[in-house]
Amino acid sequence: TQLLEQSPQFLSIQEGENLTVYCNSSSVFSSLQWYRQEPGEGPVLLVTVVTGGEVKKLKRLTFQFGDARKDSSLHITAAQPGDTGLYLCAGRRSGDDKIIFGKGTRLHILP
Amino acid sequence: NAGVTQTPKFRVLKTGQSMTLLCAQDMNHEYMYWYRQDPGMGLRLIHYSVGEGTTAKGEVPDGYNVSRLKKQNFLLGLESAAPSQTSVYFCASSHDGGRTQYFGPGTRLLVL
Repeated sequence: TQLLEQSPQFLSIQEGENLTVYCNSSSVFSSLQWYRQEPGEGPVLLVTVVTGGEVKKLKRLTFQFGDARKDSSLHITAAQPGDTGLYLCAGRRSGDDKIIFGKGTRLHILP
Repeated sequence: NAGVTQTPKFRVLKTGQSMTLLCAQDMNHEYMYWYRQDPGMGLRLIHYSVGEGTTAKGEVPDGYNVSRLKKQNFLLGLESAAPSQTSVYFCASSHDGGRTQYFGPGTRLLVL
């Protein structure tokens, strides 16, 4: 059972388009994180959301934590080739020490 | 300030051989984690530690052992390597229980 479901698995779009990546669960999370990973490197943290309904912005990236703290989304406005990479969501379920990762969304932005 | 470093970067093992992967962090973080990453599987937690001298099982602990004798180091051992353990292994550290994790560059392990 995959506790964090990411969709879509793959996304290839043209430069300048907008896109949204989703991270869903049936469990409540005390926090959710979004990471980006480049080939041959470790993941790098983009953002952490901790409060239900929270919205955080990082330049052209907008992250939202669901009101019930069971889901999150990443929206990219006017995608650029530099946004290409593997996007991973991760989190800790309430009352648990373990960190769970989704399987990732592989994003490819075409110039 | 090197952050999180991993040794070795790449290793080839024969089935049944043993090895130890070393993770070191210079940020004085309490929490440390070992993950494996396989194609299409995301990262799966193997073992983790919430402080010096402590270890706990993650999602996929079978076939691995860990030790955290010093706060800055977290060792991952494979006693008898199997082809199913071919993977990329990542170590991470955190000061806030995993909300913010800093990852190492990874160790690529091939078991023949």
